Amino acid sequence: EPEVTQTPSHQVTQMGQEVILRCVPISNHLYFYWYRQILGQKVEFLVSFYNNEISEKSEIFDDQFSVERPDGSNFTLKIRSTKLEDSAMYFCATGDSGNTIYFGEGSWLTVV
Amino acid sequence: RKEVEQDPGPFNVPEGATVAFNCTYSNSASQSFFWYRQDCRKEPKLLMSVYSSGNEDGRFTAQLNRASQYISLLIRDSKLSDSATYLCVVTPYGGSQGNLIFGKGTKLSVKP
Repeated sequence: EPEVTQTPSHQVTQMGQEVILRCVPISNHLYFYWYRQILGQKVEFLVSFYNNEISEKSEIFDDQFSVERPDGSNFTLKIRSTKLEDSAMYFCATGDSGNTIYFGEGSWLTVV
Repeated sequence: RKEVEQDPGPFNVPEGATVAFNCTYSNSASQSFFWYRQDCRKEPKLLMSVYSSGNEDGRFTAQLNRASQYISLLIRDSKLSDSATYLCVVTPYGGSQGNLIFGKGTKLSVKP
C-alpha cells in the first residue's frame, strides 16, 4: 500500500534554531497538508497546499512557519526560530481529488 | 465552546463487549464527518466516514444526526486490537478537504 513518508522521525533542536521537516507524498497526490499534535492534545490543522501555493492555513500557522515543494517531490515544513511550545508531533498528510487523506507516521520535534 | 467534543474516557471494556462513542460538533454548517483511530504516538488512521443515513463496516456502525449535531460510533464484539484512541473529525463548510477538525479523542482499552 502506498504511504506518506516523513523525515526525520525524531529531531531535537535548541530554542531559536530553524527546523525543516520533510514529507514524501503518495505519488499521484496533489493536495498536501501539515498537522501538529502537542503531547496529550488534539491533532490540529496547520496548512493546506495545492498547485504550489497555500490554499488554507490556521491561526497557528503564523510567520514562523513556511511550506514549499522545492523539487516537485518533497513537501517541507520550515519552522524558523523554534520555541519550546513548538515541541510536538508534526504529521504530513496528502490526498487526491477524493475525500480521503493519508497521514505519514509523523516527525517528533523536541525543542530544548 | 469546543468545535468537536468527545468524552475523554478511558473506556475499559472486556473482550466481546459493545462500546459506544459519542461526539458533538458546534458548527452546524460542517460538511463531512469521520471517525479516525490513533494508536499511541502513531498517526491518525481513517476508520470510516459517517453519513446521515448511517453506515456499517463489519463490527463498526456510525451514525450522524445533523439536527442534534451529534455523531456516534458503535463497536460490537470488541477485540484486543481495538484498543486505541478514537477521534471524531469534521470538516468545516467551505474548507479544503484536508482541513480536518479533530476532537481530542476517547481512549478505549479492551481487556482479555
